[in-house]
Amino acid sequence: AQSVTQLDSQVPVFEEAPVELRCNYSSSVSVYLFWYVQYPNQGLQLLLKYLSGSTLVKGINGFEAEFNKSQTSFHLRKPSVHISDTAEYFCAVKTSYDKVIFGPGTSLSVIP
Amino acid sequence: EAGVTQFPSHSVIEKGQTVTLRCDPISGHDNLYWYRRVMGKEIKFLLHFVKESKQDESGMPNNRFLAERTGGTYSTLKVQPAELEDSGVYFCASSQRREGEQYFGPGTRLTVT
Repeated sequence: AQSVTQLDSQVPVFEEAPVELRCNYSSSVSVYLFWYVQYPNQGLQLLLKYLSGSTLVKGINGFEAEFNKSQTSFHLRKPSVHISDTAEYFCAVKTSYDKVIFGPGTSLSVIP
Repeated sequence: EAGVTQFPSHSVIEKGQTVTLRCDPISGHDNLYWYRRVMGKEIKFLLHFVKESKQDESGMPNNRFLAERTGGTYSTLKVQPAELEDSGVYFCASSQRREGEQYFGPGTRLTVT
């Protein structure tokens, strides 16, 4: 069975500082990896996804993530955050034919 | 192309009442999924439809929850009778193929008082 760990439940960061949100997963089969974002009072929006190919994936709003198979990680990064990035971020995994398994979420708070 | 839509966006009901949530998937998407996030916990899978058939309902918490997808288009999720622990956000997602990306709707926030 697959599982997803997001060790940081809350991450405060100052505006224009870099941020990294950590994600580790466990799976005995190949998986697809995703980062979703939920802004306050809104639904889930796909930030980026890794299906295959290049391990560095670029997403919307300046975010990127790197797939590391040996460390089973898929950490999300942004070099300079903005106030509007304040939201909850979910890492998720999915096998070819399975449902999406979500991590517990990381609440990112950008401080002016 | 319209995305996944859910109705209502927010519902407040009393314990013991019935609530029906609706999800309209992206047109042409045969696969429809329900997920929910109860307060303070992870987003969890509830069930998966392929057209009108239930492919996997392993995540349904108990028999107070009934999901239908008549005609293979929109889906409803009924909670009857609602309990306090059912409060949370219910998400719907759809995909064209089982192995494809799932597109999520905005969610329905259910509050049971």
